[in-house]
Amino acid sequence: GAVVSQHPSRVICKSGTSVKIECRSLDFQATTMFWYRQFPKQSLMLMATSNEGSKATYEQGVEKDKFLINHASLTLSTLTVTSAHPEDSSFYICSARGPGDSPLHFGNGTRLTVT
Amino acid sequence: DAKTTQPPSMDCAEGRAANLPCNHSTISGNEYVYWYRQIHSQGPQYIIHGLKNNETNEMASLIITEDRKSSTLILPHATLRDTAVYYCIVRAMNRDDKIIFGKGTRLHILP
Repeated sequence: GAVVSQHPSRVICKSGTSVKIECRSLDFQATTMFWYRQFPKQSLMLMATSNEGSKATYEQGVEKDKFLINHASLTLSTLTVTSAHPEDSSFYICSARGPGDSPLHFGNGTRLTVT
Repeated sequence: DAKTTQPPSMDCAEGRAANLPCNHSTISGNEYVYWYRQIHSQGPQYIIHGLKNNETNEMASLIITEDRKSSTLILPHATLRDTAVYYCIVRAMNRDDKIIFGKGTRLHILP
């Protein structure tokens, strides 16, 4: 089946630095990918829709200058958390739709800890 | 996306069938019912989806009422590994349609 790979699975960074998270569709092309964030004991919150070759569409309340999304190819989308702060510590998850009428598939998430 | 309503938590004995309900009374004619689950510290895993007919795969069965206003996900023989948060989602089969997650049902499988 369709596989979505996320890297890294865990990252610890210092406050003020930037962190890049990669999301790859391994065996299919994805023109659209989605980025979610999840805080402990809460549901997934959609952050943005990543479109190949064009600008991402951000959900209300998500700072586009802080969460930079690049979808430069049909198999790779990246999320960069810029000038990270401790409140950005969270579980970030990407997803992409499989080929044809396949459902949305999710990566295994990236746990970001900002110290 | 149409809203769904699920119980916040459920318990099920190991080896028994787990029946997880979902209400989606405002579902549109072109919207499918999807079920995902999320095991702790992992990304959501696709389970099953359907439009109006009942569906079965190696993981579960999906029963959709005739009026399509509710559905039930059935795990026929629950194991401890089925402990997870289960999300019921309705959305059209559209390649750009985003998925908005509700709070889901936290299923506890009891040994």
